[in-house]
Amino acid sequence: EAQVTQNPRYLITVTGKKLTVTCSQNMNHEYMSWYRQDPGLGLRQIYYSMNVEVTDKGDVPEGYKVSRKEKRNFPLILESPSPNQTSLYFCASSPTVSHEQFFGPGTRLTVL
Amino acid sequence: QKEVEQDPGPLSVPEGAIVSLNCTYSNSAFQYFMWYRQYSRKGPELLMYTYSSGNKEDGRFTAQVDKSSKYISLFIRDSQPSDSATYLCAMSVPGGATNKLIFGTGTLLAVQP
Repeated sequence: EAQVTQNPRYLITVTGKKLTVTCSQNMNHEYMSWYRQDPGLGLRQIYYSMNVEVTDKGDVPEGYKVSRKEKRNFPLILESPSPNQTSLYFCASSPTVSHEQFFGPGTRLTVL
Repeated sequence: QKEVEQDPGPLSVPEGAIVSLNCTYSNSAFQYFMWYRQYSRKGPELLMYTYSSGNKEDGRFTAQVDKSSKYISLFIRDSQPSDSATYLCAMSVPGGATNKLIFGTGTLLAVQP
């Protein structure tokens, strides 16, 4: 089944404790992105990647890092999480720079 | 001012009603217009897209774009309880390298049986 998977789905952590949210897609897509979804603000792009070893900032990159060492994986790293990073995170992939992005199921992160 | 504005609802309608969901936008460079549906505790899934102006129909769903008014709509005919979800409009500029979609905040729709 073609899909984007994320892990973990739910995470509660404390301020300053490094964490990684994994994202993997099995569709051989070139493009991958991370979004965060907040009430009243909608979905906002954090980082994107056009291909292996090619990443760039989206609209809200502060406090996040990403890497793209393999085509299928695009982990999101929070080196020192803070409470304002409490949010619902989505990974998405698409075959080209296109409108049809396929989203993962989401990761709900709470930073205390 | 946000680039994309969407009434958050919630919108509650009886089964069988016609539903109209709308977004306005300010960036005249947008050319791709999309509607995503997001069920509770799930990721958004693409429902419909249109390029530039005009209408597009897919079963009970019709997407409409009016670029002169910077206004897009999604109509759902014969609405069903299974249509209960949050509907997100999204837009993008063609040729952009960021692969970024600009989303509305979403409208929560509840179709009552």
